[in-house]
Amino acid sequence: QQQVKQSPQSLIVQKGGISIINCAYENTAFDYFPWYQQFPGKGPALLIAIRPDVSEKKEGRFTISFNKSAKQFSLHIMDSQPGDSATYFCAATSADTDKLIFGTGTRLQVFP
Amino acid sequence: NAGVMQNPRHLVRRRGQEARLRCSPMKGHSHVYWYRQLPEEGLKFMVYLQKENIIDESGMPKERFSAEFPKEGPSILRIQQVVRGDSAAYFCASSRTNEQFFGPGTRLTVL
Repeated sequence: QQQVKQSPQSLIVQKGGISIINCAYENTAFDYFPWYQQFPGKGPALLIAIRPDVSEKKEGRFTISFNKSAKQFSLHIMDSQPGDSATYFCAATSADTDKLIFGTGTRLQVFP
Repeated sequence: NAGVMQNPRHLVRRRGQEARLRCSPMKGHSHVYWYRQLPEEGLKFMVYLQKENIIDESGMPKERFSAEFPKEGPSILRIQQVVRGDSAAYFCASSRTNEQFFGPGTRLTVL
């Protein structure tokens, strides 16, 4: 029940295309859903996050879509750029635990 | 405004030695978390600390691993009698609210 399932494991997108990464969770107590971006040899960097009281959040080219009834959320990267090539992790947590439960990661490659 | 700092960045130990990893949280942050990342895997929670208190250690192995966050100084993750399976990247994160900000990690290699 603590798992967060993430797909796909890897993703190849052409420059200018849309990258879509999906996550699903079971624990209905989760109330905060961040996405992290990680480059090789670096720590994860917080990209964007959402709470379940909204269905969508947009920051620049990055959008989170949230479906509370389906217990799913996704990251959309519009106009994908080669510099977006990295590993993306979804995560979830709740106010009573504070620990982040991470998905297994999606390795994104954007080709020019 | 410095981010989360971790040192050393790389640590090599022989089996049986002790590894000591340090984490200085962002200024104003009183919550510290440790996570472990095995090669090609996601991050796994280990322990959550506030100053002088362990809040949640449900992800810590029962033996050889310990963590502290003293009143003064950095948080320390200690691994005693390291084994090859301890080789991983260890990340520290700090927060003031829900947002956790990660350090660059310590990459531990056990020979």
